[in-house]
Amino acid sequence: QVHLVQSGAEVKRPGASVKVSCKASGYTFSGYFMHWVRQAPGQGLEWMGRIDPGSGDTDSAQKFQGWVTMTRDTSSRTAYMELSRLRSDDTAVYFCARDGRHGGFDYWGQGTLITVSS
Amino acid sequence: EIVLTQSPGTLSLSPGERATLSCRASHSVSFSYLAWYQQKPGQAPRLLIYGASSRATGVPDRFSGGGSGTDFTLTISRLEPEDFAVYYCQQYGSSSWTFGQGTKVEIK
Repeated sequence: QVHLVQSGAEVKRPGASVKVSCKASGYTFSGYFMHWVRQAPGQGLEWMGRIDPGSGDTDSAQKFQGWVTMTRDTSSRTAYMELSRLRSDDTAVYFCARDGRHGGFDYWGQGTLITVSS
Repeated sequence: EIVLTQSPGTLSLSPGERATLSCRASHSVSFSYLAWYQQKPGQAPRLLIYGASSRATGVPDRFSGGGSGTDFTLTISRLEPEDFAVYYCQQYGSSSWTFGQGTKVEIK
């Protein structure tokens, strides 16, 4: 059974960085892209980027280029998303989600709340 | 980047009624790489439809998707109490994915 388990909630100061982890189980980790999506309080879903765990190749939304770093550790089957230079409007729930190879995201992590506050 | 516009913003219906949600793309969506998700408060989104019209595993057949090019729809044939939620469309093209802003289906 596929599971994606994310790291816990964090509170960060403006200007800091945060790194969220997403541990996968129940499938071949390197065989499926992993995406990162965020959702600000009361708002919609925003695609941030994706990583190919097999190659390490990444693509990110233009808004996040140069600002988000996605990595993976195949030995631990874990994907990471690091966001730098945090601002208060980066306060959001951050999700990892597996690409089902058909354009849709078929499994999601439980979400990680990142609060940016001075 | 393809922009997705969903309508209406809110749909007020009663259980048993039919719901029709619209998603319009600013440019044609390649190979119908259009998906629909359901999200309830405090939960992660759930994939309902991919490839514009294919139901994801375990999704009841009252949910159906259609359309191509720039115009897509999600239809819920008869609303059940658990269907009241927010629905998002999402597209993939040229190594970029985008979501619509969502349609809330609320109990009338």
